[in-house]
Amino acid sequence: DTGVSQNPRHKITKRGQNVTFRCDPISEHNRLYWYRQTLGQGPEFLTYFQNEAQLEKSRLLSDRFSAERPKGSFSTLEIQRTEQGDSAMYLCASSGSGLAAPTDTQYFGPGTRLTVL
Amino acid sequence: GESVGLHLPTLSVQEGDNSIINCAYSNSASDYFIWYKQESGKGPQFIIDIRSNMDKRQGQRVTVLLNKTVKHLSLQIAATQPGDSAVYFCAEGRGQGNLIFGKGTKLSVKP
Repeated sequence: DTGVSQNPRHKITKRGQNVTFRCDPISEHNRLYWYRQTLGQGPEFLTYFQNEAQLEKSRLLSDRFSAERPKGSFSTLEIQRTEQGDSAMYLCASSGSGLAAPTDTQYFGPGTRLTVL
Repeated sequence: GESVGLHLPTLSVQEGDNSIINCAYSNSASDYFIWYKQESGKGPQFIIDIRSNMDKRQGQRVTVLLNKTVKHLSLQIAATQPGDSAVYFCAEGRGQGNLIFGKGTKLSVKP
């Protein structure tokens, strides 16, 4: 399978604990996006990278959230001191270089479902 | 502010009928629109996209129409099948940046 992969698929944690999620994009894609989705809502943008550079961050990305893409390949999203309101599906998407088109399609992974007790 | 919304939260159709899912957007600067299908417990799956310099685009059994005058987007699914049952999201974007999603329409296909 050469699509976007995310691990773990499910994470249950207690309030106050730190969690880290991983995203492996499609191999030739240089852009990587993180979104959050709560039940019954559409995905909400969190942040995105072009190669290893973090180019944009949403206001939703509080100080407790940090994302990295150290080598321009996989990315991690860490949430510190989790709160019950952090419970959501965390989605990763990747897209290509943009050389072939003005905008490249974002392809999504299966997501990581976080439950904070 | 920027928003992407949907006219109907749920849509129920008979198998074999055509389905039309609507979407309104508010940001006239958006130049790219996408429809995604999301099944329960899975990530959004790309269906079809359209750029702002187009009015219509067709794929396999799907057609997307864009009306920039009234800022309206629609997805037409021909000969709807049970496997089409899912939540459908429209999203808008500009350049290579983030997408803005609506709340979604749940499509149910009756056998």
